[in-house]
Formats: sequence, structure tokens, C-alpha cells
Amino acid sequence: GAVVSQHPSRVICKSGTSVKIECRSLDFQATTMFWYRQFPKQSLMLMATSNEGSKATYEQGVEKDKFLINHASLTLSTLTVTSAHPEDSSFYICSARAPKGRFEKLFFGSGTQLSVL
Amino acid sequence: QKEVEQNSGPLSVPEGAIASLNCTYSDRGSQSFFWYRQYSGKSPELIMFIYSNGDKEDGRFTAQLNKASQYVSLLIRDSQPSDSATYLCAGTNAGGTSYGKLTFGQGTILTVHP
Repeated sequence: GAVVSQHPSRVICKSGTSVKIECRSLDFQATTMFWYRQFPKQSLMLMATSNEGSKATYEQGVEKDKFLINHASLTLSTLTVTSAHPEDSSFYICSARAPKGRFEKLFFGSGTQLSVL
Repeated sequence: QKEVEQNSGPLSVPEGAIASLNCTYSDRGSQSFFWYRQYSGKSPELIMFIYSNGDKEDGRFTAQLNKASQYVSLLIRDSQPSDSATYLCAGTNAGGTSYGKLTFGQGTILTVHP
């Protein structure tokens, strides 16, 4: 079964609304999670690194005030797309790093398809 | 220059053939590499990871890493139509806080035709 749960899988919203996406590690504590964005026919681009109990680290060009990340517990990180606009429509994917990892211990969520009308 | 580059393809092979997917990287700090398979509209699924020079085999899949040439490849033997997907190469630093921060290539579309 999935070790990282991501919800919702699909969301359609009106322009100007905010959307929250959750990423949960189900059977391990993830001090670090990552958020990626994927536009159609493009590869995944890292948006930010989410660290439990501290501020997220954003990649260059990603607006921190628009993409709010909260990692309040060891099993949950949330990404809130504030005042979403059509250009924010994309596939958002989280991944979680297992602690003291063997190299393969990176787990992806199932992704969230966001469509902003 | 992109940090991780792949041939975008599409790559088309007949069923039963060997599919060869290639990836080069520019950041020598990248030490661990991953191959993911992604079906349309789905999240990537891990196929292989490699961090040592040489070959690593898992079933029909063989990953190859050459750090001197900054080259990673994935071979799929006995290709099946179900292998048709986009294959993503990704690299990350070996450890520390940067581990898991993946840089992806643009992906190679593979089509296996019956």
C-alpha cells in the first residue's frame, strides 16, 4: 500500500480561491518532505523543501507568499496555493524522505491535479 | 545548461527488444540517481536507484552509472507494451540535508509496440 498519502487527487476551483493539498507519511516520520510541480508534457520541478518545525526552503522563482507550506507534524505537510489563477493549474506532487535513509527511501504521493478556472 | 538531460525521444522499440534510456548530468555533487516511470496523469514510480559506478540489475532492468563521464543509463530487457511510459532520470546529493531534493531530467517517452 501507499506509504505517502496525498489529498485531494483532483481539485477544480475558481480563480482567486485558495486550495490546500495534504501530504501524509503513513508509516514513518518524515522530517523532510518535498513539493514538486509538473506542467503538461514537462518534467517535475522542485518547488520547495518542507522541514518539520521550521520554515520551508523555496526554490528560485517560487513565490513563498503564494505557495504556503506548513509542516507542523512529523507526518503531515500541507501546500496551500493562495489566490489561485489559471496559470497555477498543474500537477502537484509531494515526496517524503524516510529518516536515516537508505538511499532508496524517498516516497512519492499520488499527486494532485489542480485546475483553476 | 540543464543539470540533468535526457533524450526526449520518443523512443520506439518492438516488444521483446532492449530499450536503452540515457541521461547525463552536470552537477558533480549529484551522487545518487533514480529512474522513475510515469504514466500519464500519475505520480512517478521508482524503478531503480544507483549510487555506485557500474551496473545494477533488478529483473528486466539494468541501471548503469559512470561518474567520470557523468552518465546514467537504464536498460529494459524484453520490453513489454506495459513498459510504454515516460521515464524520468533524477539525481540528488549523496547525503545530508540535500538528500532527496531531486533534479529531474525532462523525461524520455518510450513506446513498446507489439
